[in-house]
Amino acid sequence: AQTVTQSQPEMSVQEAETVTLSCTYDTSESDYYLFWYKQPPSRQMILVIRQEAYKQQNATENRFSVNFQKAAKSFSLKISDSQLGDAAMYFCAYRMNRDDKIIFGKGTRLHILP
Amino acid sequence: GAVVSQHPSRVICKSGTSVKIECRSLDFQATTMFWYRQFPKQSLMLMATSNEGSKATYEQGVEKDKFLINHASLTLSTLTVTSAHPEDSSFYICSALEVHEQFFGPGTRLTVL
Repeated sequence: AQTVTQSQPEMSVQEAETVTLSCTYDTSESDYYLFWYKQPPSRQMILVIRQEAYKQQNATENRFSVNFQKAAKSFSLKISDSQLGDAAMYFCAYRMNRDDKIIFGKGTRLHILP
Repeated sequence: GAVVSQHPSRVICKSGTSVKIECRSLDFQATTMFWYRQFPKQSLMLMATSNEGSKATYEQGVEKDKFLINHASLTLSTLTVTSAHPEDSSFYICSALEVHEQFFGPGTRLTVL
């Protein structure tokens, strides 16, 4: 069975600094997608970034980038120039290509220190 | 991007009553929608997959007679919590599928007294 593990329940970062959230996953599939979702206090789930497993190049979306290590089954999220609005719960997630179900990690709560 | 709405955003009910939560895709058609449950400070747990025109597929451990799902149109899925009890209090989130991407609703907070 596929699993997603986030080992950091909470993290804090100073505003304008860089922070990296960790995620590992387990799967026997070769074709899949990985995601990072943000859930702010409003509880609305927001897609931050997506990575296709077949792509070697790490995905980037403005201040957000990932470090995708397929062999190690690692998928970390780097947030550069942290802003107060980045404070939220961040979920790492996995989806097989042949299925539309998403499996979520337990989340990392990110605090931004002014 | 695609927009998904949920109604109501929060509901309080008495134990033993039934509560219906609606999930709508506003600007696209969704043959598949998903229902999740999220306990405080926890992750999203998939409850069931709702398919338009057919029966929902429930995840292991989810009581289908307790959580009734109806996907009667391409833009609407409903979740009915039947004979609700305090342990059903939770945050319920739906998502709608468009071209393999899930778009999430804002969630419904259910409190059963």
